[in-house]
Order: sequence, then C-alpha cells, then structure tokens
Amino acid sequence: GAVVSQHPSWVICKSGTSVKIECRSLDFQATTMFWYRQFPKQSLMLMATSNEGSKATYEQGVEKDKFLINHASLTLSTLTVTSAHPEDSSFYICSARDFSGRGGSYNEQFFGPGTRLTVL
Amino acid sequence: AQTVTQSQPEMSVQEAETVTLSCTYDTSESDYYLFWYKQPPSRQMILVIRQEAYKQQNATENRFSVNFQKAAKSFSLKISDSQLGDAAMYFCAYTGTASKLTFGTGTRLQVTL
Repeated sequence: GAVVSQHPSWVICKSGTSVKIECRSLDFQATTMFWYRQFPKQSLMLMATSNEGSKATYEQGVEKDKFLINHASLTLSTLTVTSAHPEDSSFYICSARDFSGRGGSYNEQFFGPGTRLTVL
Repeated sequence: AQTVTQSQPEMSVQEAETVTLSCTYDTSESDYYLFWYKQPPSRQMILVIRQEAYKQQNATENRFSVNFQKAAKSFSLKISDSQLGDAAMYFCAYTGTASKLTFGTGTRLQVTL
C-alpha cells in the first residue's frame, strides 16, 4: 500500500521546450503533494507544496513561472518545467501525504521513484 | 528555520558488523517527527525508521534502531548485522508543524565483505 508513481521515469528534451512530469498516488487520496529536486550526490531540496484544488506554495528561490504545478485531483499532481534549459537537468522526486489516516499520524510522506530530466 | 546536519559524508562497515550514522537537528518546536530514509542506487526513497519527539523510547525496526537524545537534539541510526543490501545513501529528516520535510546532506554507507 501507499504507492506513488511518477511518469515518465526519464526524459530528454531540447532546450526551450516544456516538459510535464506526473505524480500519482495509486491507492490513497493525497491531499498534499510535494515536489523535490535532487542534484547528483546531493540531498533533496523541496521546491513546492501543492494542495488539491489550490495554488502551490513555492519555496524561496524557486521560480513559479518556470516550474508550474497543478494538483487538480486527489490522486494527481503535475510539474511542468517550462522553457527548459540545461541547468534544469536534474532528478525530480514527488511525494504524497494521506491525511485520512495512513501515515498521517507521523506526517509521513510516500515517495515516487523519481524522474530524471536531461535538457540538451 | 529548522536545520538537519549529517556530519559524516561517507561511512564504511564490514558485513555483519554494526555501524552508527549521526544526525543532529535544530528546532524551536516541541512537537515534531524525525525520520531516516534510505536511497539505494535506484534512487527510490525508502523509509527506514521514524521517531515521534514526544516518545522517550527509542524506535527500533528489526536491525535498525535509533538513539534519540531530545535535549541534545541528536538522532543517530544504528544498523546491526550490516548486509550488502544496506549500502546506500542515508538521509536524516525532520518534519514539524509546517508538515514539510527538511533533509540532511546525507551519509553514503559502504558495506564491505
């Protein structure tokens, strides 16, 4: 249980194009989803928090117009990297929380397998 | 703001031996949770163990246990009977009232034969 998927698992795109990454909670409803970025051999850095039906909250220094987040349903959040450039190449990880019970008492987040983005 | 510090970039342990990974944190909150996550080469984040701050008893999960020292703001992970499959990056993490996870910089654990 508590499975989170991401699609695609890896993507290569040309500079200037936009890329959409999907994050789905498969067996629970995720009222809150989180998007992280991880550079090689570094830790996870929180980019933004998205709540179903409302605007995402971005961390300081994250460009909201570049990293568009949509949490349109209780099982799906999307991250769109707009006008991607080589410096956007990274590993993007999403996580989800289920406030209805599973993991809720521990504020536990369930992580997706990540998406590797390479911008040429 | 909360911070999490892992002072050991790399650690090495022989198979079947015991290793302890260190983590300290800083917070002014009284209600929070601490976690250890494992990230193997697949990069899937795996929850190893969790601890509620209000619980004095140290959490244990099979070969994994923590030494939670609330006053010292210390949260170390002990891995007993180390196995080759334990080789991974280990991240200490904190979450409090903001419900956001703050991660440490990680410790890369090598397991040797």
